[in-house]
Amino acid sequence: DVKVTQSSRYLVKRTGEKVFLECVQDMDHENMFWYRQDPGLGLRLIYFSYDVKMKEKGDIPEGYSVSREKKERFSLILESASTNQTSMYLCASSSEGEANTEAFFGQGTRLTVV
Amino acid sequence: GDSVTQMEGPVTLSEEAFLTINCTYTATGYPSLFWYVQYPGEGLQLLLKATKADDKGSNKGFEATYRKETTSFHLEKGSVQVSDSAVYFCALSDLPSGTALIFGKGTTLSVSS
Repeated sequence: DVKVTQSSRYLVKRTGEKVFLECVQDMDHENMFWYRQDPGLGLRLIYFSYDVKMKEKGDIPEGYSVSREKKERFSLILESASTNQTSMYLCASSSEGEANTEAFFGQGTRLTVV
Repeated sequence: GDSVTQMEGPVTLSEEAFLTINCTYTATGYPSLFWYVQYPGEGLQLLLKATKADDKGSNKGFEATYRKETTSFHLEKGSVQVSDSAVYFCALSDLPSGTALIFGKGTTLSVSS
């Protein structure tokens, strides 16, 4: 069974902390994505990666960075967490090249910044 | 840029009612279109997809037809069940713009017995 695994389901962090959200996929996919999901706003793309050590900004990259040192792992980093980053974060992966390729999602990490 | 617009919810139906969730899109190229579903407490999973005009995607009794002339991909089901209660997202992937999915804002469906 294919799988995208996010390291935490729930996190509570303090304002100003550096936060790491980890995502691992076991499908040997080239593409990996980080989205945030907020009520009334749907899913918004933060960053994505087409290959190891490559990254591209999505629609809302401010306040975030990413790291992809290995093909299976894609980390989202909040350099200095703020309360407006309280949200559900979803990681996804897909195989390369074709626009009709299905994306597989993890179960999400609900982050609360206090 | 590319975008997806879907009807706002929540949509509340009785069991066995007919469901339609409208979705329209704007794209520069020839996108593939998707419906994803999110059950409570879970991540998103693919419900169905269509890759070219006039294609019909179907799964679990849900259907959607890719209509290029109206730039639409409406989701339908003839008889909903309580277990269909979830959030439904319409999405597109447009190769010239990259392979990241662009999502609509989601429609919450609540089905009562």
